[in-house]
Amino acid sequence: GIQVEQSPPDLILQEGANSTLRCNFSDSVNNLQWFHQNPWGQLINLFYIPSGTKQNGRLSATTVATERYSLLYISSSQTTDSGVYFCAVRKPRGTNAGKSTFGDGTTLTVKP
Amino acid sequence: DSGVTQTPKHLITATGQRVTLRCSPRSGDLSVYWYQQSLDQGLQFLIQYYNGEERAKGNILERFSAQQFPDLHSELNLSSLELGDSALYFCASSVANEQFFGPGTRLTVL
Repeated sequence: GIQVEQSPPDLILQEGANSTLRCNFSDSVNNLQWFHQNPWGQLINLFYIPSGTKQNGRLSATTVATERYSLLYISSSQTTDSGVYFCAVRKPRGTNAGKSTFGDGTTLTVKP
Repeated sequence: DSGVTQTPKHLITATGQRVTLRCSPRSGDLSVYWYQQSLDQGLQFLIQYYNGEERAKGNILERFSAQQFPDLHSELNLSSLELGDSALYFCASSVANEQFFGPGTRLTVL
């Protein structure tokens, strides 16, 4: 199956710093999402971004599908940004096209 | 709030027992997905239903089964429970490509 690798596995920042999280995937995908899992376990949608660039406030994401990676940028980080960030991908066709594969996540800790 | 609801929020049971987890998708969403999140396995896709039909299957154990009803809600049945089944079980729904997750059911098997 498709492999998804996220880096770095852990990241500790001071409030106000910027960061870049990376997601590499091993095969062509037509569906890529970024999620934030907060300390209460809730999975929050950040971006649906199979290709291109999107921005939402302090967060932005870029996916280069031809090179099989996606980047999540967090600017001016806040303590509420702490949690685990997941990338999830799906293949376009074939058996189990609906199956999502998640990376292991990046655990972000923002210190005041 | 994603609009996806799951019940119960917490479930504590004993080994060998059977439980049913329930999911109501967002209004209008035809697809429902089930995931298991455990400390050692991460987030694992279990199964997808689309408008009542099974559409995709992941590493779902034979002791686990699911179905989607005509009103589009879904149930995940876990039987002959083992200690290793303790996990957070998520349901997600979608109408097109973007999945939205419910708050999860935390299952503890003692």
